Amino acid sequence: GENVEQHPSTLSVQEGDSAVIKCTYSDSASNYFPWYKQELGKRPQLIIDIRSNVGEKKDQRIAVTLNKTAKHFSLHITETQPEDSAVYFCAARGTGKLIFGQGTTLQVKP
Amino acid sequence: DTAVSQTPKYLVTQMGNDKSIKCEQNLGHDTMYWYKQDSKKFLKIMFSYNNKELIINETVPNRFSPKSPDKAHLNLHINSLELGDSAVYFCASSRMGGRTNTEAFFGQGTRLTVV
Repeated sequence: GENVEQHPSTLSVQEGDSAVIKCTYSDSASNYFPWYKQELGKRPQLIIDIRSNVGEKKDQRIAVTLNKTAKHFSLHITETQPEDSAVYFCAARGTGKLIFGQGTTLQVKP
Repeated sequence: DTAVSQTPKYLVTQMGNDKSIKCEQNLGHDTMYWYKQDSKKFLKIMFSYNNKELIINETVPNRFSPKSPDKAHLNLHINSLELGDSAVYFCASSRMGGRTNTEAFFGQGTRLTVV
């Protein structure tokens, strides 16, 4: 069945450094790839998304890249801040459902 | 105005009981979902409804039964609760189809604890 693999499961960086989270998906029909941030005890919230006809998208310190041929997409956070600490989920929408990766716990040390 | 609201926020119940979680969205979306988030934080899809019709039914026990009375509501009923059902359950909604896919908006979650 459809699957989304996300790496790493945990990531610790110093404030100001960059963080990169990578995902791969299996369903070649997937055409929409959102990224969610979930703070402790709260709901997942969208931070950026990309559609299959676009290779890269940027929003301030956050960027996402998509390689449809390789079925890879990545989240890049630059100049990390302590408030970026959270669990990040990638997801892929294929035929009728939104499948999430396993999540990455990002810790930004001051 | 809350976009996706689910009740209750917390639910503590004994094994063997039957309970329901309600979800409503006021975004005019045509698709609603239920996800289970376990202690390892993994968001696992359980059900997906499009225009009140079930389109996704992942491998979940028959004790879980979703009900969608209209496009704005998707409730989850759980029979004969077990310890392993303890988790946070999230409702979500989105618009689906072709180029009009939208992000999924999540409810605040229901933390279910079975004792």
